[in-house]
Amino acid sequence: DAGVTQSPTHLIKTRGQQVTLRCSPKSGHDTVSWYQQALGQGPQFIFQYYEEEERQRGNFPDRFSGHQFPNYSSELNVNALLLGDSALYLCASSLVGGLSDTQYFGPGTRLTVL
Amino acid sequence: AQRVTQPEKLLSVFKGAPVELKCNYSYSGSPELFWYVQYSRQRLQLLLRHISRESIKGFTADLNKGETSFHLKKPFAQEEDSAMYYCALSSRGSQGNLIFGKGTKLSVKP
Repeated sequence: DAGVTQSPTHLIKTRGQQVTLRCSPKSGHDTVSWYQQALGQGPQFIFQYYEEEERQRGNFPDRFSGHQFPNYSSELNVNALLLGDSALYLCASSLVGGLSDTQYFGPGTRLTVL
Repeated sequence: AQRVTQPEKLLSVFKGAPVELKCNYSYSGSPELFWYVQYSRQRLQLLLRHISRESIKGFTADLNKGETSFHLKKPFAQEEDSAMYYCALSSRGSQGNLIFGKGTKLSVKP
C-alpha cells in the first residue's frame, strides 16, 4: 500500500487562475481531509469529505471547493488564485467508524502563485 | 477561540539530554490531543494521542486539563529524534478538523 498519494508534486500558477489538486486515500479509507500549510505555519484545516459530501469546513472562502468520487479519491479546487494561496496543500485520509480515526497524511502538493 | 500554542520555534539539545516540547491549548469542550512528527523528507505522521496513553519511541505526553497543556517529553534524546513536531487538537469524536500549532523544530546534537 503506497499510503495516501497526491498529485501533482509541484505546481506554479499565476494570479486569477484556477487549480485542481488530487488525492488518493490509503487503501480501506473512506474519508479525505484537506489542509493548507503556509511557510512556517502548522497545517490549517480546509474541509473534509465523506460519502461524497462535504462533512466539515474550516474558515476558508468559497473559492476553495472540493469533490469526492465513488472510489473515495478527492479533488481540491481553488478559483481566482491569490498570491496568499501559495502553500503546501496536504491531504489526509481516515476511516469513519474504524477502530482508529487516525489521519494519514500524503506528501503534499506545493502550490506557488506568481 | 480554539487554539494550539507551541511557544518554541526551535529546541536544540545534546544527545542523551532530556527533552520537553511544550504545547498549550485553548478549547471549550472535550478536546482530543495529538502529537504529529515530520522527519526530514518524510510526510507528517502521528506520534501519539492522549487517549491511547502509549509511549512511542520513548516519548510520552500527559494531558493536564488544569493547565491546558499537553507537553511532549523524552528522558534521553537521540539524534534520530531530530524533526519537526506539531501539537494538534480536535473535538473528541469529530474524526476530523485537526487544529495544529505552528510546530517546534527539535535538533539533537551529537
